[in-house]
Amino acid sequence: GQSLEQPSEVTAVEGAIVQINCTYQTSGFYGLSWYQQHDGGAPTFLSYNALDGLEETGRFSSFLSRSDSYGYLLLQELQMKDSASYFCAGILTGGGNKLTFGTGTQLKVEL
Amino acid sequence: DAGVTQSPTHLIKTRGQQVTLRCSPKSGHDTVSWYQQALGQGPQFIFQYYEEEERQRGNFPDRFSGHQFPNYSSELNVNALLLGDSALYLCASSLEKGAPNYGYTFGSGTRLTVV
Repeated sequence: GQSLEQPSEVTAVEGAIVQINCTYQTSGFYGLSWYQQHDGGAPTFLSYNALDGLEETGRFSSFLSRSDSYGYLLLQELQMKDSASYFCAGILTGGGNKLTFGTGTQLKVEL
Repeated sequence: DAGVTQSPTHLIKTRGQQVTLRCSPKSGHDTVSWYQQALGQGPQFIFQYYEEEERQRGNFPDRFSGHQFPNYSSELNVNALLLGDSALYLCASSLEKGAPNYGYTFGSGTRLTVV
């Protein structure tokens, strides 16, 4: 089967940098996406890695290593509004465009 | 530019009843996917519609069915509701040619409670 594992909770202070990891086990993998979800809200697309390496979008960066079956989301200059749940989501080969979501990480940003 | 619109926002149903949830995709999007999100968990893929046909399906029983209309809007139907069907139901739209590079646009969901 397919599974994407994330730490359940991460806490950091405002202004800091935090990394949220995602490890996956799947037979066939096309790319990795990241989504942010505030309590009771809609998941919001953050980034997509089709190739190995780092993708940067403002304060957010995402990394993928297929050889290690591993990716991470890096959030810089943390703000209180970044407190939310973050999900990695895999796109699988042969699986069309459906997203297989990870277990999710609750990020708490403190003063 | 309106994003994805879902209705209703909240719904309470009794076990055994049937429910229909509705979704209007983001303007310009042609593909609609439905996800179920239990409390504290990641969304689980139910099915995806493109060109008015179910293109992919996740591990959900036949009690879950759907439809896509010519204007790309979609409905999710659940029959014979169980307590375990209580969840947030999310609709996500995308452009067939653009996903996954440009991501999927999610609605705020319908919170279904089965009592």
